[in-house]
Order: sequence, then C-alpha cells, then structure tokens
Amino acid sequence: DAMVIQNPRYQVTQFGKPVTLSCSQTLNHNVMYWYQQKSSQAPKLLFHYYDKDFNNEADTPDNFQSRRPNTSFCFLDIRSPGLGDAAMYLCATSSDPNQPQHFGDGTRLSIL
Amino acid sequence: GENVEQHPSTLSVQEGDSAVIKCTYSDSASNYFPWYKQELGKRPQLIIDIRSNVGEKKDQRIAVTLNKTAKHFSLHITETQPEDSAVYFCAAGGSNTGNQFYFGTGTSLTVIP
Repeated sequence: DAMVIQNPRYQVTQFGKPVTLSCSQTLNHNVMYWYQQKSSQAPKLLFHYYDKDFNNEADTPDNFQSRRPNTSFCFLDIRSPGLGDAAMYLCATSSDPNQPQHFGDGTRLSIL
Repeated sequence: GENVEQHPSTLSVQEGDSAVIKCTYSDSASNYFPWYKQELGKRPQLIIDIRSNVGEKKDQRIAVTLNKTAKHFSLHITETQPEDSAVYFCAAGGSNTGNQFYFGTGTSLTVIP
C-alpha cells in the first residue's frame, strides 16, 4: 500500500504557467520534504516542513514555494516554470530528521 | 552547507563478488547517514542507515561503516546478485544540521551474471 502518494505522476505545463504538485501521506509523519531530481543526478533538497515549521534551502529559487495545510498534505507550487525546472519532483516523509525518509513515486514535470 | 562526495560513479562486479561504495562529507555536525537504492524510474528506497553514535551496522549482505573523525562512510554489499544492479546514493544530514539532507552524486552498480 502506497504510504506517500504524489499526484499527478506526470505533469505537463507551459513555460511561465503556474503549476502545483501535491503529496499526501498516511504515516502521520512530522517531517515532509520536497526534492528535485534531474536526469542522472542526485535528489536535491528544496525545502522541508517539520510540523508547521517551514525551512527553505538557501539555493532554492524564489520561484518555488510550498504549503502544508495539515499533517497529511504538502504542496509544491512553481509560480513561473522555466525550461530548467523540468525534472522529477520527489516528496518524502519521516517521523524525525534522524529516521528513514519514505519517498513517493514522484511527479515528472515537463515544460513546453 | 554540507558537501557529500561519492565514489565511484560507476561500478561493475561479477555476481557473487563484493561491492564497496565510499562517501565523504564536510559538515561535522551531520549525524544521520542513510543509503538509498534507486532503480530506473522508481523511487529511492532506504537500504541501510547509520547514526553518528555507531561505527558499523550490518543487515544480511549489506553493511555500512562510519568514520566520524575522517568524515567518511562506506557501503559494503557482499555476495552481489543481478537484482542489486541500481543507482546507490549516500546522504548526510540530520537534526544537528537543521534537518538538512545532502545526497551524494550516486553510484551506478552493475552486477554481471
């Protein structure tokens, strides 16, 4: 049973058109992470929530924002996608920062 | 911020042989070190992890060692099987780094039957 669910699996948007990716979890984990993974590269942490506390990585573009309305859901908003934002976006959760992260299947974002 | 280096980038071994992947990290505050296996087009999956208060951990054919002084940790896979073929990522971070996590650049492991 999937415990970290990302929707949609594939998302196509136009250059500059806002897009929202979603992540939900049934694990009741405190921490939720968003990663960007480009082809043949390592996942790169964009930001994370520890409960309601939002933490942005220093080099995450301002174009990327996140919302966590409750424990179960977290959203990644890309305000004005550029061609360089095409990537796989992975959501992960953990009960604690020193515990294993459970990843979703990811959303593959394409920009036209 | 943290910088995690991983070597080698590609590794081919004969079935049954051992595979070793090494990582170094820069932030001495890092206190949690997971290893992930990622098959093509799939999610990363945790295979083993180690915390800074432990020097070695083993789970069947997989083991991880951590040298905090030298700031490096290694993954050891014994008796490799074709299904071990995948990309392996190390990562470093944890609560002592402000809950940040940095992944290594990955090692593509191929086990030749």
